[in-house]
Amino acid sequence: QLQLQESVPGLLRPSETLSLTCYVSGGSFSNFRDYWGWVRQPPGKGLEWIASVYSSGTTYYNPSLKSRVTISIDSSENHFSLRLNSVTAADTAVYYCARHGPRRGGPFDYWGQGTLVTVSS
Amino acid sequence: QSVLTQPPSVSGTPGQRVTISCSGSSFNSATNTVNWYQQLPGTAPKVLIYNNDQRPSGVPDRFSGSRSGTSASLAISGLQSEDEADFYCATWDHSLNGWVFGGGTKLTVL
Repeated sequence: QLQLQESVPGLLRPSETLSLTCYVSGGSFSNFRDYWGWVRQPPGKGLEWIASVYSSGTTYYNPSLKSRVTISIDSSENHFSLRLNSVTAADTAVYYCARHGPRRGGPFDYWGQGTLVTVSS
Repeated sequence: QSVLTQPPSVSGTPGQRVTISCSGSSFNSATNTVNWYQQLPGTAPKVLIYNNDQRPSGVPDRFSGSRSGTSASLAISGLQSEDEADFYCATWDHSLNGWVFGGGTKLTVL
């Protein structure tokens, strides 16, 4: 059973950089049919896709966040990561990591439990 | 801003059938497929329907999905109190080259 677990960054100040890592266990991380992504949910609001990375390293970004976001994958260490620069209060949300596949439009079928990121001065 | 539009809320009584619509410009290709997610309070979303109308194993057949043109629908029959949740549609938008989620629909079982 595949399991995903997000790191816990906690409280950030405005203008800082958010760094998140998703640790994947219970399966082969190097399956070249899989995509790995980040989805966030501000308190009381809906889901917003941030970015995805294919097992080969190809990346996809939400156009509205692309200038501030970097997603990367480390297959040898079974994790993938997200960096979001210049955070503001609007970036306060629960951040989920998840797998989708076997094609880009395949469903997010495994999710982490989510980690709350708070941006506050 | 979502380019998939869902009703903010729907409601029904136990045993009833309800539908949730999802429409918008992100259905811009014949190869678009829609996935539906159920999110219970305080938990991560769970895939309910994928590829427009396919159910993952373990999802009751009370849940069904359909897709036509620029819209999709999720139907829930035999409504149960434990179905009360938020539901989201999502599709890979080939123009944006990324995922788009609908704004979400809150289902209330009266």
